[in-house]
Amino acid sequence: ETGVTQTPRHLVMGMTNKKSLKCEQHLGHNAMYWYKQSAKKPLELMFVYNFKEQTENNSVPSRFSPECPNSSHLFLHLHTLQPEDSALYLCASSQDRQTGELFFGEGSRLTVL
Amino acid sequence: GENVEQHPSTLSVQEGDSAVIKCTYSDSASNYFPWYKQELGKRPQLIIDIRSNVGEKKDQRIAVTLNKTAKHFSLHITETQPEDSAVYFCAASIRYGGSQGNLIFGKGTKLSVKP
Repeated sequence: ETGVTQTPRHLVMGMTNKKSLKCEQHLGHNAMYWYKQSAKKPLELMFVYNFKEQTENNSVPSRFSPECPNSSHLFLHLHTLQPEDSALYLCASSQDRQTGELFFGEGSRLTVL
Repeated sequence: GENVEQHPSTLSVQEGDSAVIKCTYSDSASNYFPWYKQELGKRPQLIIDIRSNVGEKKDQRIAVTLNKTAKHFSLHITETQPEDSAVYFCAASIRYGGSQGNLIFGKGTKLSVKP
């Protein structure tokens, strides 16, 4: 499979659950990103990793915890979320931090009950 | 920090007509302006981008114009087709040194092309 793949595509969780979102890119890119997409709001950058190192945390609450074990994989660990965290979470990658084009996954639709 | 405003939020056109989406940005240092298209239930994909050293760029039926003085840029789609129906996002970022800064996105424009 090519491109950027995200799993699961849909996730429903309670506020006390712990779950993880997974992203894998098969493009040989070195930078990976997590974005949050909510209705009627701009895409919000959450985290940036460049060559496995976190280079940006965009004031994201600690109930979201990213992990990047290698340049091809990115995780978003979720715990004690709030209903307002319900959104589409998009993973993206780019060749590196020097190039502009982002390649997005299809997203993980998260619902927090 | 950078702020990107996008208008309109929704746009409905007849097939064959033109569509124009406009964005303004706040940081005069921004120098990279991409446009992404997101079809329903699909991932956003880059359709065209422009850098600040040019004023216009075309790719078949789509074009982007940039006015650095006024700090706005626009997406133009001519001869619209039903498959152009999607949400379009503009974005802006600053390229400094050898690195591309974070993209700041607009809220999106939902374009509907009626057959």
